[in-house]
Amino acid sequence: AQSVTQLDSQVPVFEEAPVELRCNYSSSVSVYLFWYVQYPNQGLQLLLKYLSGSTLVKGINGFEAEFNKSQTSFHLRKPSVHISDTAEYFCAVSPVLGNTPLVFGKGTRLSVIA
Amino acid sequence: KAGVTQTPRYLIKTRGQQVTLSCSPISGHRSVSWYQQTPGQGLQFLFEYFSETQRNKGNFPGRFSGRQFSNSRSEMNVSTLELGDSALYLCASNPSGGSYNEQFFGPGTRLTVL
Repeated sequence: AQSVTQLDSQVPVFEEAPVELRCNYSSSVSVYLFWYVQYPNQGLQLLLKYLSGSTLVKGINGFEAEFNKSQTSFHLRKPSVHISDTAEYFCAVSPVLGNTPLVFGKGTRLSVIA
Repeated sequence: KAGVTQTPRYLIKTRGQQVTLSCSPISGHRSVSWYQQTPGQGLQFLFEYFSETQRNKGNFPGRFSGRQFSNSRSEMNVSTLELGDSALYLCASNPSGGSYNEQFFGPGTRLTVL
């Protein structure tokens, strides 16, 4: 079984400052890794995903994440945040083999302060 | 291409009643998954349907059921509603259900049980 821990439930940050949202996972098998974002009153939208290859993954809206296999982490970063980045961010994993569903972390609420 | 649509968007029911939620996936997508989102538990997987067959099931009681039609539209049903069933119910579709695929989420149905 897989599990995902998002280490911060809330992260306040000033506009134009950098941000890192932390994600650690546990799995006995190889996994695919995802970050999704949920804006108020909307469903989730994919930011980026790691399937294989380069451990640095670039996504939409200037976000990037780095897969670290030894530390079982997949932290999300943005060098300069905007007010419009205020949302809830979810890290998720799925085993490489088989068609098993995504397992989500509990989310990190990012609040960007003007 | 139209996105994933869910109806109704909001629903208020009383304990003991039953409810049916509907999800129309993106055209051509054969896999539909359902998730329950609550502030305390985050996103929890309910079930996945692929080509009218339930392929995966989460750890929910038998009061939660679903089905998928030949046009890939899906419904989920909750019988004998309890206060704890109040949640945002999200539907997601993807082309083939492969774990590497992006899940496309609908805006959700907000269910309130009084």
